[in-house]
Amino acid sequence: GAVVSQHPSRVICKSGTSVKIECRSLDFQATTMFWYRQFPKQSLMLMATSNEGSKATYEQGVEKDKFLINHASLTLSTLTVTSAHPEDSSFYICSARERTDNQPQHFGDGTRLSIL
Amino acid sequence: LAKTTQPISMDSYEGQEVNITCSHNNIATNDYITWYQQFPSQGPRFIIQGYKTKVTNEVASLFIPADRKSSTLSLPRVSLSDTAVYYCLVGDMENDYKLSFGAGTTVTVRA
Repeated sequence: GAVVSQHPSRVICKSGTSVKIECRSLDFQATTMFWYRQFPKQSLMLMATSNEGSKATYEQGVEKDKFLINHASLTLSTLTVTSAHPEDSSFYICSARERTDNQPQHFGDGTRLSIL
Repeated sequence: LAKTTQPISMDSYEGQEVNITCSHNNIATNDYITWYQQFPSQGPRFIIQGYKTKVTNEVASLFIPADRKSSTLSLPRVSLSDTAVYYCLVGDMENDYKLSFGAGTTVTVRA
């Protein structure tokens, strides 16, 4: 149980392109989803917290107009990297947790984004 | 968010038990302790979670002393495939259970 699916697993695109990444909880309802970014040899950095039906809460230094997050249902959140540039190249990972108190976050397998 | 501190790296050999201790001095009363494993180019995988005393599942045990200011993840009889980064985290119950990832512990298992 507690499977989180992330799609696509890898994206290579030209500078200026907008890229959408999907995060789905397959067998549970996710009240809250999180988006992280991880650079090579570094740890995960939380970008934003997304609650179903409300606006995402972004961490300090993360541009909300650059990284658009939508959490329209209890099983789906999307991250859109708008007008991506080479410096946005990174490994993006989502996680989701169930409504119930003290349930852990379950992570997707990540999306490798490469901007040329 | 409660900050956690754990060793940067640990080396072990196949078949040995690996114990990783994490300190979380500022853990709040209602916070749980969660451990994840991450392989390169994959998302973290949930290993175990606990609140106090001892928790055991099919892959690991988690020991938490009464003061809850530290915890120890125990991996019995490791194999080469257990080589990974292990993260100790404390969820912020007051803040959507946000997690703040530190550097983690890189465990290297050798033959």
